[in-house]
Amino acid sequence: QVRLQESGPALVKPSETLSLICTVSAGSMTNNGYYWGWIRQPPGKGLEWIGSISYSGSTSYIPSLESRVTISLDTSKKWFSLDLTSVTAADTAVYYCARHTGTVTRMRWFDPWGQGTLVTVSS
Amino acid sequence: QSVLTQPPSVSGAPGQRVIISCTGSSSNIGAGYDVHWYQHLPGTVPKLLIYGNTNRPSGVPDRFSGSKSGTSASLAITGLQAEDEADYYCQSYDSSLGGYVFGTGTKVSVL
Repeated sequence: QVRLQESGPALVKPSETLSLICTVSAGSMTNNGYYWGWIRQPPGKGLEWIGSISYSGSTSYIPSLESRVTISLDTSKKWFSLDLTSVTAADTAVYYCARHTGTVTRMRWFDPWGQGTLVTVSS
Repeated sequence: QSVLTQPPSVSGAPGQRVIISCTGSSSNIGAGYDVHWYQHLPGTVPKLLIYGNTNRPSGVPDRFSGSKSGTSASLAITGLQAEDEADYYCQSYDSSLGGYVFGTGTKVSVL
């Protein structure tokens, strides 16, 4: 049963870069049809998909964040990462990583999810 | 602001049936994109309940069922239990936004 775990700083200063890593254990990252994604939830608000990456490195991002987001992965070391540049208080959220599953583009779902990590943007 | 609208809250007595709606448009649910549902207790890991509109992953009780029609989808919980108290989110794809979208979320309370 694949498990995911987020790690990274809990506090980031405004205008700096938020960097998180998701470690994948007990499963393969390279099965066809598996993408790997990031989702966030600001305090008191709903879930927002940030972006996803395929095992081959193909990425897709939500257009509203595309200019600030980079997702990358290392399948041999079994992790994928999120970099979000020029952060503001509006980027304060619980950040989740998840396996983005399904063989048909645009039909995919998220399962399983990591525990989530709260990242606060503040000076 | 999400393009998938859910009621903020629904409630029911133990054993009752509740239905959570997820209303979209012609650029998401109405365009034929699948709807998936998640259960989220704050502080815990979001859990996939329904994928591909109607399919339950192994381990999810058959008290949970999903349906889709037109520009909307629904999650039904029958035989409501205290452990079902949680937030529920639908998820699909929106071609106008160019990405995956989640619903606004519904808090289920067991009276």
